[in-house]
Amino acid sequence: GAGVSQSPRYKVAKRGQDVALRCDPISGHVSLFWYQQALGQGPEFLTYFQNEAQLDKSGLPSDRFFAERPEGSVSTLKIQRTQQEDSAVYLCASREEGTAKLFFGSGTQLSVL
Amino acid sequence: AQSVSQHNHHVILSEAASLELGCNYSYGGTVNLFWYVQYPGQHLQLLLKYFSGDPLVKGIKGFEAEFIKSKFSFNLRKPSVQWSDTAEYFCASSGFQKLVFGTGTRLLVSP
Repeated sequence: GAGVSQSPRYKVAKRGQDVALRCDPISGHVSLFWYQQALGQGPEFLTYFQNEAQLDKSGLPSDRFFAERPEGSVSTLKIQRTQQEDSAVYLCASREEGTAKLFFGSGTQLSVL
Repeated sequence: AQSVSQHNHHVILSEAASLELGCNYSYGGTVNLFWYVQYPGQHLQLLLKYFSGDPLVKGIKGFEAEFIKSKFSFNLRKPSVQWSDTAEYFCASSGFQKLVFGTGTRLLVSP
């Protein structure tokens, strides 16, 4: 596609509910990143994939957060038993090899009530 | 640990004023530095980047940044801002793989 696509654009969840956020990276981009952006803050790194391999998950805040990229393209970020503090914009980015330039999606705004 | 500091959280300028946004990074190894912009309702976009070479980097829309290694700084500048520059600006650094962002500076340009 033309850019990084994320869905849904908005998600409202009740506390305790599980959610799944999808990211379609730019075709051919090997690297994929997930970031969490709380209101008034900069994006915080969550996890990074190279193809289907999750090389760094040091930013995942708890074991309720899980990310996968089984075929090395589309990625899903899953949050189990959502809490209010999980409310944020979740950004996905893919990287153009050779330039280290990240292309960001528009994000999924998650609100946990 | 890798970190980025942006000291100006909110900046208000009139059109045609000059802009300088501060950014300091902390990383012991080879560092790549970036400025990203987020216009209202839009996704993050790359303004400019520094990897090596000329420490004065020119980006899109008339922005430039200067890498000063001795000060661990990478300040963003623009000689004359426009109303359309109203946005949030993020400085970022990357070491081995991941990009680390500052907390951002919200710029409001009044016409």
